[in-house]
Amino acid sequence: EIVLTQSPATLSVSPGERATLSCRASQSVSTNLAWYKQKPGQAPRLLIYGASTRATGIPARFSGGGSGTEFTLTISSLQSEDFAVYYCQHYNNWPPYTFGQGTKLEIK
Amino acid sequence: QVQLVESGGGVVQPGRSLRLSCAASGFIFSSYAMHWVRQSPDKGLEWVALISFNGDNKYYAESVRGRFTISRDNSNNTLYLQMNSLRPEDTAIFYCVRTFGGTYFSAFDYWGQGILVTVSA
Repeated sequence: EIVLTQSPATLSVSPGERATLSCRASQSVSTNLAWYKQKPGQAPRLLIYGASTRATGIPARFSGGGSGTEFTLTISSLQSEDFAVYYCQHYNNWPPYTFGQGTKLEIK
Repeated sequence: QVQLVESGGGVVQPGRSLRLSCAASGFIFSSYAMHWVRQSPDKGLEWVALISFNGDNKYYAESVRGRFTISRDNSNNTLYLQMNSLRPEDTAIFYCVRTFGGTYFSAFDYWGQGILVTVSA
């Protein structure tokens, strides 16, 4: 089973600043990695797939990068609606598909 | 617009059974592989099961294999999860999820609102 480790667990950033979240895989997942955003009481929402492709309707301030075992999600200028929990997920060697434990992005 | 609406959750005693349903609309259901994913405070997001577009192929997480069964009715655009021998550690919000592009090697592009299953005596 591929283990995804996200860091940091909590990230405190001021609105308008840049946030960078990390996801490390225990073995290569190529670019078969997605990022999701989840707000309290809501289902996760797909942000990025293929490690770097924005899903439909996702603003350009969200960007993903990386391949193999190291990945990043960058939010270039934080808006109030961006404060949430973010998860990475692989869809390479399955089953199982696995998720990271999440990074909580909070207002500084 | 794509909609996935789960139903059938609730409180159940350990060892009992429950069947979840997911009504799909707004897309050609029979063209997409579908998943169940669950979320709990202890385990976070956990993939549970996958079924191919036509129901011929099914895959399960180790934690539920032999106890849960995923199925679908393409004529009624409905996905199911039959859960038997439930355990307290199965307590979670269960999500019905669509595969992006319909294939196995893909992200999960649409999620239902989730349904709570609580296993407790």
